[in-house]
Parts: sequence; structure tokens; C-alpha cells
Amino acid sequence: GDSVTQMEGPVTLSEEAFLTINCTYTATGYPSLFWYVQYPGEGLQLLLKATKADDKGSNKGFEATYRKETTSFHLEKGSVQVSDSAVYFCVPSLGGNKLVFGAGTILRVKS
Amino acid sequence: NAGVTQTPKFRVLKTGQSMTLLCAQDMNHEYMYWYRQDPGMGLRLIHYSVGEGTTAKGEVPDGYNVSRLKKQNFLLGLESAAPSQTSVYFCASGIAPYEQYFGPGTRLTVT
Repeated sequence: GDSVTQMEGPVTLSEEAFLTINCTYTATGYPSLFWYVQYPGEGLQLLLKATKADDKGSNKGFEATYRKETTSFHLEKGSVQVSDSAVYFCVPSLGGNKLVFGAGTILRVKS
Repeated sequence: NAGVTQTPKFRVLKTGQSMTLLCAQDMNHEYMYWYRQDPGMGLRLIHYSVGEGTTAKGEVPDGYNVSRLKKQNFLLGLESAAPSQTSVYFCASGIAPYEQYFGPGTRLTVT
């Protein structure tokens, strides 16, 4: 069935390190792909999205490219900050009028 | 715009008591959702609505009821609270199913 596999955390990095959080999906067809972020004590917010193959979503220095060949949508940032510490969710649109969120990946950035 | 607001922010209930959580949005969104978030389990969908007067069950609907009498409001009711319903509850709304705007959450403890 349709599903998403996201890198398990927590991921702990030093400030200014390069970040990659892996995300792969299995789906019939070509879903839209989203990254949501949840900062401590807050609700989730949409970070970036891509709606078709080879699209690159970007926001706040984060990027992710929709790779149809590898069914992946990895999240990257060149230089993380302490303020990027949060939980990151990779979410494909798997049909219906709803999203299915996994447990997410916890990112901790140390100064 | 206030976005998505949730009332109350915190609540402590005794087992068997009832309560209603209110979600309000001022963005004229058709879609509204109620989730619960528990440690290590990500977000799980309780109920959702695709427009005024409609509701549908999500992944974990048992023990909850909802109503969408007005487009801007989505109410979540607990008729007889149980300790297993201790959680953080998030409401979200969207003009489309996959781009959701989240409220700040309600932290509910059932003793």
C-alpha cells in the first residue's frame, strides 16, 4: 500500500552543519509531496512542497527535490541554526481529503 | 487575521467528565481537521470536515464526536473522558486538503 519512510531521529547537529533528512515514499501514481515543521510548543506549519517530478521546493534555507526515479523527497539545509531545532514531517498526498503524518524526525541543533 | 485559534489552551478533566474543544478559523477554509498528538506516535486524525454541515471519521474517532454547524468553527466533543484521551489536540484548516494551517494546540489531561 501507499506509505512514507522517514529517517528516524533524533538527529543532532552542531550549528552551521549540513542537514539531510531522508524521505522516501511508495505510491500508485505521483503524489504531491510536503514537508511540515513543528517548533517546540507549537502547531505544525507547512515548510515547503513540490507537486510534480523534478520540482524543487524551498523555504527558510531548506530545499527538497521531488525525485520520481528514486521516489524520494529528502530535506536539506546547508547551514543549520539552533532555531531550526524542531520536528520535521515528510507527508505525501496519498489520496482522499486528508494527510497522514508519521512520527516525524526530531532535529536538535547545538550551539 | 487570527488564523486558526483553539479554545481552551489547557484543560484537566476527571474520568467520565465531558467537554468541548472549539476550533475557529477566519480564512474561509472549507476543510477542517482534528488531530491528536502523543509522544512517539506523530499526529493521528480523529475527525475531519470537507465543508459546512459535513463530518467524516479519521483514524481514531472512537470516544469523540464533532460538529461543523458554521463554516468557520469545528467542535470536538468528548462525552465521557478517559485517561487514554490525555493528549495534545490540534485543529487545522485548509483551502485544499494537503496545505493545512494548524492551531496552537490544546493540552488535555484526564485523571
